[in-house]
Amino acid sequence: DAGITQSPRHKVTETGTPVTLRCHQTENHRYMYWYRQDPGHGLRLIHYSYGVKDTDKGEVSDGYSVSRSKTEDFLLTLESATSSQTSVYFCAIGPQVGQPQHFGDGTRLSIL
Amino acid sequence: AQKITQTQPGMFVQEKEAVTLDCTYDTSDPSYGLFWYKQPSSGEMIFLIYQGSYDQQNATEGRYSLNFQKARKSANLVISASQLGDSAMYFCAMREGRGGSEKLVFGKGTKLTVNP
Repeated sequence: DAGITQSPRHKVTETGTPVTLRCHQTENHRYMYWYRQDPGHGLRLIHYSYGVKDTDKGEVSDGYSVSRSKTEDFLLTLESATSSQTSVYFCAIGPQVGQPQHFGDGTRLSIL
Repeated sequence: AQKITQTQPGMFVQEKEAVTLDCTYDTSDPSYGLFWYKQPSSGEMIFLIYQGSYDQQNATEGRYSLNFQKARKSANLVISASQLGDSAMYFCAMREGRGGSEKLVFGKGTKLTVNP
């Protein structure tokens, strides 16, 4: 298994609270990604990183921010969570173009 | 317009038979890659197979093969000799361009059920 750890695995929180999800990798891969998965939508890219402190927006970035201060950690933050952000969040890592991304086990986030 | 279309929300197949899961894509970039992932009920995303736009031959990985028809912009996944453990969601995804990032666009998935 690719060395990817997502934490927490499950979280329930209230609307308006800040939430941070962590993705940790032990593969020393350059690229890291955050996706969300919702019924009927497949996976959609939120943000990605192509190096330490280098990040960019994906398809559904509104309401999310990210940070990458070390190669191994990629944080996803919901500054003020809303019910529409209830979802399953996946982190992925990728070595280089043409190589498949490998995914973490996901974080199930419920915002009440 | 959707970049990846999976037209089969659900598919059923008998154990030991072959099944084809459809995927069509839309891109004007000559350089792209196509991936298939499996998501069992436990939730993890498992990489199955990859096809590059310049690859001359269809990709194969064990019981999985990719029927790549470039002119039709289709990249169908063929699973031979289906097993009960193949029951899962299957996602087709595309990477565009040769850029440094490997951003993927996913289809909505096909739920495959293998019957004994």
